[in-house]
Amino acid sequence: SQTIHQWPATLVQPVGSPLSLECTVEGTSNPNLYWYRQAAGRGLQLLFYSVGIGQISSEVPQNLSASRPQDRQFILSSKKLLLSDSGFYLCAWVGLNYEQYFGPGTRLTVT
Amino acid sequence: GQNIDQPTEMTATEGAIVQINCTYQTSGFNGLFWYQQHAGEAPTFLSYNVLDGLEEKGRFSSFLSRSKGYSYLLLKELQMKDSASYLCAVIKAAGNKLTFGGGTRVLVKP
Repeated sequence: SQTIHQWPATLVQPVGSPLSLECTVEGTSNPNLYWYRQAAGRGLQLLFYSVGIGQISSEVPQNLSASRPQDRQFILSSKKLLLSDSGFYLCAWVGLNYEQYFGPGTRLTVT
Repeated sequence: GQNIDQPTEMTATEGAIVQINCTYQTSGFNGLFWYQQHAGEAPTFLSYNVLDGLEEKGRFSSFLSRSKGYSYLLLKELQMKDSASYLCAVIKAAGNKLTFGGGTRVLVKP
């Protein structure tokens, strides 16, 4: 069966510091992968999605970037964090009927 | 673009029934999803509707009317553990992306 991992689970970073969040998927090959952000009490905002190695589509212009160096690895990065980057970051992969399955998430607090 | 509306919050009593409505406006509609999200946790997939009608899964049912741009999630025999946010999401034809509504927070009281 497929499983999705994210780390770290929680992170506290100062403004201006870099960021790297990692997502890996097991039990499937060439999955579509997604990064979402959820601000406190809000809905899910799609940040990036990828249909394959090296293929990244950006949904929202911002100071974040994404990379897919391997088939089952998806990385979210920033060179300089802003206060507004605080939130719950979720990685997801797509099932047969386009339903998305989410990883456990990373809770980021920028101070 | 896509516009998805759901009520912000609902309160119901344990053992009762609650219906969460979702209306959407989108071109090229190809399916609607419902997710449950407990506080501090990731969303979990509940149901998928692509054709008109009712899909039942135990205590949870989801209904879709494509012509009206309308769906609802019905939760029966409410339990305290059903207190969570419920997210409606839409996918477009040949699309790779889901668009989520803001979610409905359901509070189940004893």
